[in-house]
Amino acid sequence: KAGVTQTPRYLIKTRGQQVTLSCSPISGHRSVSWYQQTPGQGLQFLFEYFSETQRNKGNFPGRFSGRQFSNSRSEMNVSTLELGDSALYLCASSLGAGWSYEQYFGPGTRLTVT
Amino acid sequence: SQQGEEDPQALSIQEGENATMNCSYKTSINNLQWYRQNSGRGLVHLILIRSNEREKHSGRLRVTLDTSKKSSSLLITASRAADTASYFCATDASGGSNYKLTFGKGTLLTVNP
Repeated sequence: KAGVTQTPRYLIKTRGQQVTLSCSPISGHRSVSWYQQTPGQGLQFLFEYFSETQRNKGNFPGRFSGRQFSNSRSEMNVSTLELGDSALYLCASSLGAGWSYEQYFGPGTRLTVT
Repeated sequence: SQQGEEDPQALSIQEGENATMNCSYKTSINNLQWYRQNSGRGLVHLILIRSNEREKHSGRLRVTLDTSKKSSSLLITASRAADTASYFCATDASGGSNYKLTFGKGTLLTVNP
């Protein structure tokens, strides 16, 4: 079974631009969650989606948004990029909603904002 | 502040030795998970232990959970150079409106050949 895939793997953007990251979950997984990882803050939860509905959201500004499609694929959008948005963005998929299931992580998208 | 905090922040051992990492958390949980991350890559799930379990094994890994002390430990026995990675504990929060999986800052384990 193919693992979680994330595209693109690397991205360089300029302050003020917007970016869309994509995540394809493992076949059969209906839950997708997103995380931001930085050296200073570590891994921080962004959102959780299940069956196209956002179930939980982390403490991030409204510039961070996401959605999930009927095939469980998910996208994350960051508008008006700031230097502090430079990070590794990880998505994870799991069989069910909530945190009683193991999360399968993708390789991440490394975003650099200049 | 972090829900889960790993200790120590860094650990360096020789191949063949055992490695023990600890995780403390603040609020009640339904389950606790341990993950491994190799050098800036995605995380790999190691073990999930539920709040009503005290110990769990998987190969060379042993996880304990003490809900009265709000702590967990991960033991890697007979370590190998390939075990070099960052190890994270992740906890859910059993209540509240912001129900999320919270990761600690991790323990960086270096296994020297």
